[in-house]
Amino acid sequence: NAGVTQTPKFQVLKTGQSMTLQCAQDMNHNSMYWYRQDPGMGLRLIYYSASEGTTDKGEVPNGYNVSRLNKREFSLRLESAAPSQTSVYFCASSGRTSGSPHNEQFFGPGTRLTVL
Amino acid sequence: GEDVEQSLFLSVREGDSSVINCTYTDSSSTYLYWYKQEPGAGLQLLTYIFSNMDMKQDQRLTVLLNKKDKHLSLRIADTQTGDSAIYFCAERIYNTDKLIFGTGTRLQVFP
Repeated sequence: NAGVTQTPKFQVLKTGQSMTLQCAQDMNHNSMYWYRQDPGMGLRLIYYSASEGTTDKGEVPNGYNVSRLNKREFSLRLESAAPSQTSVYFCASSGRTSGSPHNEQFFGPGTRLTVL
Repeated sequence: GEDVEQSLFLSVREGDSSVINCTYTDSSSTYLYWYKQEPGAGLQLLTYIFSNMDMKQDQRLTVLLNKKDKHLSLRIADTQTGDSAIYFCAERIYNTDKLIFGTGTRLQVFP
C-alpha cells in the first residue's frame, strides 16, 4: 500500500499561471481532503469530498477548484496562481483502520508550491 | 466557530519530559488528536483520545483531557532528539470526519 500519494513534490509558478495538484489513495477511503499549511496558521481546509462525486468548500476555498475524478483521485486546481497561494499543500483521506473505533485521516507527503 | 490554539515553540533538554498544550472551543467534539510532522513530511497520527476519557497513555505518550476547560495536553516522557518535530492537536467536528487543526507547536530537543 502506497497510502496517499501527491504529485508534484515541488512547483514554482509565475503569477497568473495555472496548475493542477494530483492526489491519489489506495486505501479505498470515501473521504478525501485538501489542506494548505502556512507558518503559524496550522492546516486549513480548502476543499473536501465526502464521497465520489461530491465536493464541498472548506475554510479557504477562494482561488481553488477541485475534482473528485473517482474514488481514488482528488485533484486541486489553481486557475490563476497568486503569490498568496505560496504554501505547502497536503492531501488526506480518511477511513477506519483495523481495531479503530473511528475514521483516521492519512496524509500525503505534501506539495511545496511557490508563486512568484 | 471552532478554533484550536497552541503555543508555537517548545524547547527541552534530551531526557526531560515535554508537555505540549492545546485549547479548543467545540464542546461537542467527540475525538481529539495529536499529529506529528517531521521536517519535509506529511502529518502522522500519534494518538487520539475520546471525549469521555480524561487520560490516555501509550508508551512514552500521555494525553490529558480537561473537558471543563477545553484543554488538551500531550506529555512525552524521556524526550529524544528524534522527537523534534511539529506537533498538531486537532478536534473532530461533531458528526463529520472533518478536523480542525491547531497552529502546531515546534518541539526542539537539545542535547
